[in-house]
Amino acid sequence: DAKTTQPPSMDCAEGRAANLPCNHSTISGNEYVYWYRQIHSQGPQYIIHGLKNNETNEMASLIITEDRKSSTLILPHATLRDTAVYYCIVPRARAGGTSYGKLTFGQGTILTVHP
Amino acid sequence: GAVVSQHPSRVICKSGTSVKIECRSLDFQATTMFWYRQFPKQSLMLMATSNEGSKATYEQGVEKDKFLINHASLTLSTLTVTSAHPEDSSFYICSARDSGGYSYEQYFGPGTRLTVT
Repeated sequence: DAKTTQPPSMDCAEGRAANLPCNHSTISGNEYVYWYRQIHSQGPQYIIHGLKNNETNEMASLIITEDRKSSTLILPHATLRDTAVYYCIVPRARAGGTSYGKLTFGQGTILTVHP
Repeated sequence: GAVVSQHPSRVICKSGTSVKIECRSLDFQATTMFWYRQFPKQSLMLMATSNEGSKATYEQGVEKDKFLINHASLTLSTLTVTSAHPEDSSFYICSARDSGGYSYEQYFGPGTRLTVT
């Protein structure tokens, strides 16, 4: 997978927007940016993904820079339940084969939402 | 939708015994399932990719004879830890990829905490 760089930890006040950055300067033109999160002692949860346009769903927004070398996940109104490890993943585009669909998790960003 | 279950959620076994963990996609078909392991304060590590009706593909360093994977149907994959030892104690998590969904959108189970005494 393409290398991604995320800050190890971030804090956010409850009710405020949480902006989580991710650098992926080696991303290729056909590779997507995926975001997952893992709440303590649970399985990870898919959040959102995008290619080059900004994306929004019920959980978050994803802003990808025009050169696609970085992106920001935005949780518009963070709650205490959003405290988790957030992973930015750029899977290598694979045409198929036994490794198709594989995700490689890095260390992610520990987001702590404070009351 | 897109729910994945795992059973059991916790298991304690004695050294030398085998433990089977089930992973089910409840409301979608999954031709591909993945098995991960996570040690305390570490990230998830992919162990193997399980494809329905074919042999699993193991990551480098994962012993295929120790971690037996069976993916006999489009909704069920099992991981059997054979001859478990204390160092196999870990959090095992499965995920499933919706056959009709995006390539890297995976749905994860809640995990199984294995303790080997």
